[in-house]
Amino acid sequence: GNSVTQMEGPVTLSEEAFLTINCTYTATGYPSLFWYVQYPGEGLQLLLKATKADDKGSNKGFEATYRKETTSFHLEKGSVQVSDSAVYFCALTDEETSGSRLTFGEGTQLTVNP
Amino acid sequence: DGGITQSPKYLFRKEGQNVTLSCEQNLNHDAMYWYRQDPGQGLRLIYYSQIVNDFQKGDIAEGYSVSREKKESFPLTVTSAQKNPTAFYLCASSTLRENTEAFFGQGTRLTVV
Repeated sequence: GNSVTQMEGPVTLSEEAFLTINCTYTATGYPSLFWYVQYPGEGLQLLLKATKADDKGSNKGFEATYRKETTSFHLEKGSVQVSDSAVYFCALTDEETSGSRLTFGEGTQLTVNP
Repeated sequence: DGGITQSPKYLFRKEGQNVTLSCEQNLNHDAMYWYRQDPGQGLRLIYYSQIVNDFQKGDIAEGYSVSREKKESFPLTVTSAQKNPTAFYLCASSTLRENTEAFFGQGTRLTVV
């Protein structure tokens, strides 16, 4: 079956530091890959997505590249802000499922200190 | 504004009682989903529905039930058979297009007392 593995957290950074959150996946076929963000006490919001190999998703300074050869979709940001403090989830949907039935990673808590 | 509304935000239940969580969407999405979130475990799929009057079990359906009588609504009942119901419950919806993203509600935090 499908699975997603994220780097263990929590992650604590100073403002303007570089961020990487690792995500690897196991899937049959060619999944679509997503990063969602969850702010305290709220639901999830889509941060970015990529639907095929070598695609790069980007939004709000965050980027992730779909690497089929390493089955990875690592999230990066060059300079984090205090407002980026949240939980980040990597997720996938497989090509055999219509709609958006998601398989999630465990989530990574990010705290950015001023 | 279009979106997904979950209610209530906080819910307390005594052991042995059933409780129903509400989820309504005005995005005209065909598919709706219920996920359970526990600390350190990500989100796990409970049930999903792609059409009115039809739904499928997800990975952790035991102790839960759903209905889909209207396209806009997908209520989740947590029954007394659910052994550990205290959790954060998230409802989502999407189109049926391939490679599409899901839109999430604000969640309901259920606590069994």
